Amino acid sequence: DAEITQSPRHKITETGRQVTLACHQTWNHNNMFWYRQDLGHGLRLIHYSYGVHDTNKGEVSDGYSVSRSNTEDLPLTLESAASSQTSVYFCASSERGLAVAEQFFGPGTRLTVL
Amino acid sequence: AQSVTQLGSHVSVSEGALVLLRCNYSSSVPPYLFWYVQYPNQGLQLLLKYTTGATLVKGINGFEAEFKKSETSFHLTKPSAHMSDAAEYFCAVSERGNDMRFGAGTRLTVKP
Repeated sequence: DAEITQSPRHKITETGRQVTLACHQTWNHNNMFWYRQDLGHGLRLIHYSYGVHDTNKGEVSDGYSVSRSNTEDLPLTLESAASSQTSVYFCASSERGLAVAEQFFGPGTRLTVL
Repeated sequence: AQSVTQLGSHVSVSEGALVLLRCNYSSSVPPYLFWYVQYPNQGLQLLLKYTTGATLVKGINGFEAEFKKSETSFHLTKPSAHMSDAAEYFCAVSERGNDMRFGAGTRLTVKP
């Protein structure tokens, strides 16, 4: 069965370190997204991609970057982790345009920045 | 930019009672509207969505929602709550090609 996976599921790091969160989908979807989930804020879009070599900034992109070298993967990098980036991160993918198609979500990565 | 307000961060109902989760949106163009459910330690799953056409939308697990343009609302209902409905529910809006904005979520508790 097709799926979307995230790794690691839990990560503890220190302020200032570079961190990369992996997202891999086997749906063969063109569109992929990264969100962060914080209490009282719901999910907020960090970055998204509509295809290989395409990346776009979302609502809360400062301090994060992504790259898309193939269809299956969209790694999220925190260049210099800050305590404000402690959160649960979700990756999602969809088949068509962002507005209409259902997004399929991964299980999430809980990141703690000390 | 589009936005979503979910009224009530926590809702508690008895098993068998009506479930009503409220969502109001703001959008400058006709919106696409979604309800997602999140069970503990899991990602989000789509319950239902409204794009165009019929304003009453039926989803999985007996849930439905009605798009009311005049009230800018998209409330989620279920006639009879089940223990397995306990979860967090998110309303989301998208302006046809722009990014999707989620509400803050409503945690539903179902009492036996």
